[in-house]
Amino acid sequence: GAVVSQHPSWVICKSGTSVKIECRSLDFQATTMFWYRQFPKQSLMLMATSNEGSKATYEQGVEKDKFLINHASLTLSTLTVTSAHPEDSSFYICSASRDSSYEQYFGPGTRLTVT
Amino acid sequence: QKEVEQNSGPLSVPEGAIASLNCTYSDRGSQSFFWYRQYSGKSPELIMFIYSNGDKEDGRFTAQLNKASQYVSLLIRDSQPSDSATYLCAVSGGSNYKLTFGKGTLLTVNP
Repeated sequence: GAVVSQHPSWVICKSGTSVKIECRSLDFQATTMFWYRQFPKQSLMLMATSNEGSKATYEQGVEKDKFLINHASLTLSTLTVTSAHPEDSSFYICSASRDSSYEQYFGPGTRLTVT
Repeated sequence: QKEVEQNSGPLSVPEGAIASLNCTYSDRGSQSFFWYRQYSGKSPELIMFIYSNGDKEDGRFTAQLNKASQYVSLLIRDSQPSDSATYLCAVSGGSNYKLTFGKGTLLTVNP
């Protein structure tokens, strides 16, 4: 149990376009989902926390108008990178947790390359 | 600012040896401690978590927590080449369940 999927696994887009990444909990209801970004040889940096049906909480320095997060249901959260630039190229990873649990189950990640 | 510090390594051990990975954290209010393994190009996978002071064993892995010293460690016994990966220490506390990650320690197990 506790499987999280992400789609797509990798994407290449042109500068100025928008990209949507989906994160799904396949066998449990995720009350909270987290979005991370990881640059090469760096650790995971939390971008935002989202709870189903409410607005996401963004970490300091993360532009909420650029990284749109929608947690529409207990099994689906989406991250849209708007007007992507080459510096947005990174490995984006989502995770999900159940009610009242510190354990986070990670998706396989999405590698975004902006040309 | 919560901080989690790890020795970046690389830590190199021979096959069959014990690998010892260390982590310190700055927030005394931290309550939950996690070790994740991350292979290159992949997302992290949970190895162990520990909440209470002392040792917790799971197969070849032992997590140790000392809250007074703000220190958590992971021991890997009988290290295998397949254990070669980056090990991430993560800490959580309070009511928001957010994880703060260290930068990770690269472990190489030599056959």
